[in-house]
Amino acid sequence: GQQVMQIPQYQHVQEGEDFTTYCNSSTTLSNIQWYKQRPGGHPVFLIQLVKSGEVKKQKRLTFQFGEAKKNSSLHITATQTTDVGTYFCAGHGGSQGNLIFGKGTKLSVKP
Amino acid sequence: NAGVTQTPKFRVLKTGQSMTLLCAQDMNHEYMYWYRQDPGMGLRLIHYSVGEGTTAKGEVPDGYNVSRLKKQNFLLGLESAAPSQTSVYFCASSYGDSSGNTIYFGEGSWLTVV
Repeated sequence: GQQVMQIPQYQHVQEGEDFTTYCNSSTTLSNIQWYKQRPGGHPVFLIQLVKSGEVKKQKRLTFQFGEAKKNSSLHITATQTTDVGTYFCAGHGGSQGNLIFGKGTKLSVKP
Repeated sequence: NAGVTQTPKFRVLKTGQSMTLLCAQDMNHEYMYWYRQDPGMGLRLIHYSVGEGTTAKGEVPDGYNVSRLKKQNFLLGLESAAPSQTSVYFCASSYGDSSGNTIYFGEGSWLTVV
């Protein structure tokens, strides 16, 4: 079945450093979504990518969808303590089936 | 606008006991979902519903049952709780299917089975 792999599992950075998490699918995706979960909280939708090679930005966050629509990345520039949490990618394989979530990357930021 | 509301937030069960987790959404969404989240395992889909009166199995349905008698409510039942069901449970909803539609999550229900 469809699998979505996410790396790294954990990332510890100094405040001000950059951070990137990568998502890879075993199959071509129709779209990919990214969610953020703060410690003790619930996942909150960040963005959706649909087009091959698509790049979207939200302030310090840059999201990319690969040309083959099988991988994606989230890059945070100059991390802040408010960026702490777990970032999940979730891929959708097409008209049937549900979102498959990656296992997430837990980001900690040292002030 | 409350969004997705789950009850209870915390519960401790003894092995073999039964319980029901309640989920309500006020966004008139057709699709509703139940996920469980375990350390290092991400979010795994238990059951979902594409509309009132319908339910379907997700990735990890064993040991759980669901019902969607009303569009706004989605109930998750544990008939005979097991320690392996200790987890954080998230209810979620979306306007249409998850292809192109944002999934809105509730705040979670922490369940411990002893």
